[in-house]
Amino acid sequence: EAQVTQNPRYLITVTGKKLTVTCSQNMNHEYMSWYRQDPGLGLRQIYYSMNVEVTDKGDVPEGYKVSRKEKRNFPLILESPSPNQTSLYFCASSSFPLSISNQPQHFGDGTRLSIL
Amino acid sequence: KQEVTQIPAALSVPEGENLVLNCSFTDSAIYNLQWFRQDPGKGLTSLLLIQSSQREQTSGRLNASLDKSSGRSTLYIAASQPGDSATYLCAVTPRGGGTSYGKLTFGQGTILTVHP
Repeated sequence: EAQVTQNPRYLITVTGKKLTVTCSQNMNHEYMSWYRQDPGLGLRQIYYSMNVEVTDKGDVPEGYKVSRKEKRNFPLILESPSPNQTSLYFCASSSFPLSISNQPQHFGDGTRLSIL
Repeated sequence: KQEVTQIPAALSVPEGENLVLNCSFTDSAIYNLQWFRQDPGKGLTSLLLIQSSQREQTSGRLNASLDKSSGRSTLYIAASQPGDSATYLCAVTPRGGGTSYGKLTFGQGTILTVHP
């Protein structure tokens, strides 16, 4: 079954304690992306990756890091989490380039982070 | 900076009614526009993708139109059903070449409730 898997699904942690949210896809997609969703602000893109070792900033990259060492994995790293990073996070993947594949993005089920 | 606005923020209609959701964007230099559906506590499901060269796309009871010059898109849902209740989001990808094709800017969504 084609899917995007995020772990953990829920996490409560404290300010400053480094954490990693993993994202894995089994569709051999080149493109992967991270978003955060907040009430009143909608969904905002954090980072995206066009392929292995190619990553770019989205609209809200501050306080986050990513890496793309393998095609299937795209972890989101919070080096020193702060309360304003409490949010619902989504990972997504799709084929690239869109002009050829015209395939939509597949989303994971989300990770709810609470940083105290 | 691209801004995407969706109107109305919430909509409640009786079953069977035809309805229109609106999406506007400030920068007409887009590569494509997508409509998504999000159920409570779930990730996003892609509904329709319209390339900038297209005027509309249809899937079942859904029809999405795009007027790039005026910065507007509409999602038309025919004969609405209670199962259509969800949050609907639109998102645009900029036309800028290179890795900018990986960027995605979302609207805040329209919460649709279809009551029996």
